[in-house]
Amino acid sequence: EDKVVQSPLSLVVHEGDTVTLNCSYEVTNFRSLLWYKQEKKAPTFLFMLTSSGIEKKSGRLSSILDKKELFSILNITATQTGDSAVYLCAVSGRDDKIIFGKGTRLHILP
Amino acid sequence: DTAVSQTPKYLVTQMGNDKSIKCEQNLGHDTMYWYKQDSKKFLKIMFSYNNKELIINETVPNRFSPKSPDKAHLNLHINSLELGDSAVYFCASSQLAGGGDTQYFGPGTRLTVL
Repeated sequence: EDKVVQSPLSLVVHEGDTVTLNCSYEVTNFRSLLWYKQEKKAPTFLFMLTSSGIEKKSGRLSSILDKKELFSILNITATQTGDSAVYLCAVSGRDDKIIFGKGTRLHILP
Repeated sequence: DTAVSQTPKYLVTQMGNDKSIKCEQNLGHDTMYWYKQDSKKFLKIMFSYNNKELIINETVPNRFSPKSPDKAHLNLHINSLELGDSAVYFCASSQLAGGGDTQYFGPGTRLTVL
């Protein structure tokens, strides 16, 4: 059965800390892995990863995919209170199905 | 110049009623989706349309019926609403189908069934 597992489910850190969020998956005919940030309502897109070992960066956020070990990490350095959100990982396969993980709820303390 | 819009944003209704949620995207995308997010924030895909044709139909009750009059619109009609239908429903669109492309989400519609 296809699945996406994110860990930890929740995380509380202080401003300035670095965090690493994990996403492991099992999916038939993997096509891409996506990270989203969801603050209040609608998720906003962060990264799409299709190739192993290539880091994608956007400001203090970065992500990398390991297709051999079937996981991805999302790193956030020098965290700020505005980073508090639920981070969603989603995986798609060639059968056009998209599977979301349950998300990691990140809370940054000032 | 909203990319993906949904109406209404909030919907409160009684059990047994029929209601519709509308979604429109002005991005020129070929693919649109409906997601359901439950109280635990778990997002689950319900339907996906590509060029007005249904391509994903997850296991959802028959009471849910999507309708795509054109590529820019994907509406969700729900018959005989039940308490368990209470959730936030998100519409999204992408140029390509199947998650191989960035998905842009609407602001969500919070449905409360009393």
